[in-house]
This record gives sequence, C-alpha cells and structure tokens, in this order.
Amino acid sequence: DTGVSQDPRHKITKRGQNVTFRCDPISEHNRLYWYRQTLGQGPEFLTYFQNEAQLEKSRLLSDRFSAERPKGSFSTLEIQRTEQGDSAMYLCASSWGAGYTFGSGTRLTVV
Amino acid sequence: AQTVTQSQPEMSVQEAETVTLSCTYDTSESDYYLFWYKQPPSRQMILVIRQEAYKQQNATENRFSVNFQKAAKSFSLKISDSQLGDAAMYFCAIDGGGADGLTFGKGTHLIIQP
Repeated sequence: DTGVSQDPRHKITKRGQNVTFRCDPISEHNRLYWYRQTLGQGPEFLTYFQNEAQLEKSRLLSDRFSAERPKGSFSTLEIQRTEQGDSAMYLCASSWGAGYTFGSGTRLTVV
Repeated sequence: AQTVTQSQPEMSVQEAETVTLSCTYDTSESDYYLFWYKQPPSRQMILVIRQEAYKQQNATENRFSVNFQKAAKSFSLKISDSQLGDAAMYFCAIDGGGADGLTFGKGTHLIIQP
C-alpha cells in the first residue's frame, strides 16, 4: 500500500490548452473522489466514482471538466480549453468505509 | 446540503500550550462522520481524528481530542502540548454518507510560536 498517487505534481499550461491529471487510488478502495482546492479555501467536491461507475458528476464546474475511471482502477480528470480561473490544486481521495485517504494533489497553473 | 463553518481563519499558540479550534456544521442526516484534517504547506491532507455521530464518547488520538456537541452541531479540536510540527491548515469536514463525500470548512491556519 503506497497510498494515493497523483501525477503530475505540478502542471503549467497556457490558456486554451487541454490538461489531464491522473490518480492512482489505494487498490482496496472502491470509491474515488476528485476535489478542487483554491488558495485559502477548503477542498470543493467535483465528482465521485464507485468502482468504474461515476455516481455523481453534477458538481463538475463546467462541461470543460470530465473524469473517467476505466476498469475501476486509476482515474483521470481532464480539463479542456483551460482558463486562468482553473488554476488550483486538484486533489484525489480514495475511500473504503468511513475513511478517506488523500493524494498530494496536482497544482495547476494556467498562464 | 451539508455545511461546515470554521470561524477562526488563524490561530496562534505558544509551543507546549493548548489550543482549541472551532467548527460548527449543519446536516439533515441523523448518522454521519466528522473529521479534522491537517494540511501542512504544500503537502497532502492528513487525517487527524474522526468522530462517529452516533457515538457519545469524544474521540481522542494522543495529543488531539475533540469536543463533540451533537445538539449544538459543534465539533471542536483540542491540541495539547502544541509542537512546532503541528503548524498547518486544519480543516473540519463532515461525511453524511451521500455521493459527494466530504464537505469541508474554509480552514484554520494554526501558527506555533517557539
């Protein structure tokens, strides 16, 4: 068990480009969550998977955001046509039961 | 919908002293979990302590303890014998069991004065 891994740790992109982040959860955890955290704020829920099924996606910030979890293992979060307002930390967490384990996050900077 | 309010944006305490961080919440669920997470600068969110709402006994983890007042919807964190390594952002969170996982407060920045 190596915890929740997120890749990359940092991403700088030009406005208008597409970016994709990856999350590898703890293997025994069937639930996976994506959050966004802006400076000085607590994490804000984006989307949730149970195994490979995306059970909640209404909180994705716009239709530029999408997430997948093929085969119920790793997950990806894609942002298309990035905007400066997308600059934030994107956190992944996995869960089994009543505990959540967070990854170190991907810090996105849109220039 | 669930909400979490942390009314202290920043707290400062002398090393070895005790500090209490406040948290209030609102939920329509009868069974839920409450959490305190620690987030050091540029580092990942770490679980400090967890409380199950149906348990009346306050959770304790070494120097960290909570004061859970269910009727008042209050969930404060007490840190005893503060250490320099306790300096971080502390987030209170609730899990009502729905599909949206944890709902977080805005956090309290804890400063430890040597």
